[in-house]
Amino acid sequence: AQSVTQLGSHVSVSEGALVLLRCNYSSSVPPYLFWYVQYPNQGLQLLLKYTSAATLVKGINGFEAEFKKSETSFHLTKPSAHMSDAAEYFCAVSRGGGNKLTFGTGTQLKVEL
Amino acid sequence: NAGVTQTPKFQVLKTGQSMTLQCAQDMNHNSMYWYRQDPGMGLRLIYYSASEGTTDKGEVPNGYNVSRLNKREFSLRLESAAPSQTSVYFCASGQGSYEQYFGPGTRLTVT
Repeated sequence: AQSVTQLGSHVSVSEGALVLLRCNYSSSVPPYLFWYVQYPNQGLQLLLKYTSAATLVKGINGFEAEFKKSETSFHLTKPSAHMSDAAEYFCAVSRGGGNKLTFGTGTQLKVEL
Repeated sequence: NAGVTQTPKFQVLKTGQSMTLQCAQDMNHNSMYWYRQDPGMGLRLIYYSASEGTTDKGEVPNGYNVSRLNKREFSLRLESAAPSQTSVYFCASGQGSYEQYFGPGTRLTVT
C-alpha cells in the first residue's frame, strides 16, 4: 500500500520568500508522484509530476520538486512567493502501472505582504 | 475542450432523499474517478472505473453507487442521503502517465 504525509497543514510565508511544502511518501514499488494545487472553490490542477525520469521536476507557475529516494521525499519549492500562490496544495502518489492516486491531507499556503 | 464537467454545482438534500451527480469528460480517457473532499482529510476515493464497463470500490464506497454509462460519462448516486455525506464531490479522469484531471466539484449539503 502506498501513502503520503504532508507535514504542516498550514504554511505562511512573506511575498518574495522561499516556499517549501513538504511531502514524504511510502510505497512498496517505485512511485509516481504528483503535486496538485486547489484555488478556492475550484477543482484540483496538476502542478507537476515525477514518473521516474529526471529527479528534479519543473512545473507550472515557477514551482519545482525534487524526488529523493533515500529520504522518501518529494518536497515542493518555489524561490519567490507571490500573492497569487495562496491556495491549498496536495501531494499524491500512484504505483507505477496503477491508475489510482492516494492523496495527502493538504497544506494551505498563505502569502503575506 | 471542456475537460471534465460536473452537474450540479450545488445541492441541498434532506436526510433520506436520493440524487445523482453527473460527470462527463471529453478527453477520451479510459479511467474515471469519484472523490469526496472533507476538511483536513484530503481527497478520498469513493469509486473508480478503469475502463468502460468496469467499476470498483475505492476507500469510502459505503452509501454510494456508480454507473459508467459510456466512455464519457460516470455518475455517482446517493440512494438515501445522510448528513455524513455532506462534502464536496470531485470527478476526475485520466489515462497514460497516471495524472488525473479534475472537474470543478459539487458542493452537497445534507440536512
